[in-house]
Amino acid sequence: DSGVTQTPKHLITATGQRVTLRCSPRSGDLSVYWYQQSLDQGLQFLIQYYNGEERAKGNILERFSAQQFPDLHSELNLSSLELGDSALYFCASSVALVYNEQFFGPGTRLTVL
Amino acid sequence: GENVEQHPSTLSVQEGDSAVIKCTYSDSASNYFPWYKQELGKRPQLIIDIRSNVGEKKDQRIAVTLNKTAKHFSLHITETQPEDSAVYFCAALSNAGGTSYGKLTFGQGTILTVHP
Repeated sequence: DSGVTQTPKHLITATGQRVTLRCSPRSGDLSVYWYQQSLDQGLQFLIQYYNGEERAKGNILERFSAQQFPDLHSELNLSSLELGDSALYFCASSVALVYNEQFFGPGTRLTVL
Repeated sequence: GENVEQHPSTLSVQEGDSAVIKCTYSDSASNYFPWYKQELGKRPQLIIDIRSNVGEKKDQRIAVTLNKTAKHFSLHITETQPEDSAVYFCAALSNAGGTSYGKLTFGQGTILTVHP
């Protein structure tokens, strides 16, 4: 157990819908990262927050947004869902901004039908 | 942006043999290179990492080497065991400033199978 928690574990929804994925980092970690893992794209970095502020952005779609709250938990919002958004979404956390081990959560498996 | 190429995509070895996975990166500003192991249906877990001021790092049966000039780094697993079977990902972090903080670019992964 890495200490990073993610809810829900599984999510099944329909195209066009909106979902929210939640992540709680390890105690003491200020950085939260979101990744998307699909069979054809591998592990793709989406976005990083550090102590409530967005600090790095990957190829995150405009339909996707995230935020980190004062208690440091983070939410990833996915809207206007498409079939291609079906993937495993991982949250990771680390103590500092860079150069630290990122601890991954168990992931949320999203299926869009 | 950074691009990381990983080879081979699959690797099959006999128990006790060594396994080597290689990665190349494109951004000369990259300076942190972790390796993650992901078992089926589980989360990626860091197994070893190396910073750009070091050429080699070893942890028991696992070692990583880095050649900054050639922009490639490799994972070496010796005396492989069936429990080493998993997907291995290399990654590179570029800290050229701006919005690059914390952004890891991952390779496509190597499926390692160790046969008893």
